[in-house]
Amino acid sequence: EVQLVESGGGLVQPGGSLKLSCAASGFTFSDSAMHWVRQASGKGLEWVGRIRSRSNNYATAYAASVRGRFTFSRDDSKKTAYLQMNGLKTEDTAVYYCTIMRASVGFDFWGPGTLVTVSS
Amino acid sequence: QSALTQPASVSGSPGQSITISCTGTSSDVGGYVYVSWYQQHSGKAPKLIISEVSNRPSGVSDRFSGSKSGNTASLTISGLQAEDEADYYCNSYTSSNSWVFGGGTKLTVL
Repeated sequence: EVQLVESGGGLVQPGGSLKLSCAASGFTFSDSAMHWVRQASGKGLEWVGRIRSRSNNYATAYAASVRGRFTFSRDDSKKTAYLQMNGLKTEDTAVYYCTIMRASVGFDFWGPGTLVTVSS
Repeated sequence: QSALTQPASVSGSPGQSITISCTGTSSDVGGYVYVSWYQQHSGKAPKLIISEVSNRPSGVSDRFSGSKSGNTASLTISGLQAEDEADYYCNSYTSSNSWVFGGGTKLTVL
């Protein structure tokens, strides 16, 4: 059974940093691109970006709203993906989900999400 | 990359059919078959209900169907049921090697 579990969310001041983790199981993690999607309270979904597999050189892509502040990484030995968030802004407050495309070109598995609150 | 355009809300009575549109550009919806739809109940993670314009994942009711014409994709739900009341989002791959979601549509079953 595929499982994705995010952790690391919490309260941080504007300008601060936070690192989220996404622990994966039930599939070949090392072969999978890992995507991050966020959702502010009462708002829609926003694709944050993704990190590809080793065979794709761990290529990353970022939404314009986070480029230069957020960084994706992964540890295939731990089956865990990471999202390092620096220079956080109040508008980064959201639930952050990790998600994958497994059986089709669509995000077919999601974690439960972790809440990040940026506030003074 | 601007969000895809969806109606903010739609409604229908049990048993009826509704259609939600998702309008983009030739750089996203119109240029690729990688259009998907998600159902999200309050407080839950999104659930994939349509991938690649019209493919239904295993376990998804055949009351859900997808299509695309030009720069607009559509999700149709037939035989509306109370459990279908949720938010629905479209998503598309883009020419910028990124993914973009629609703004979301709240479905109310009357």
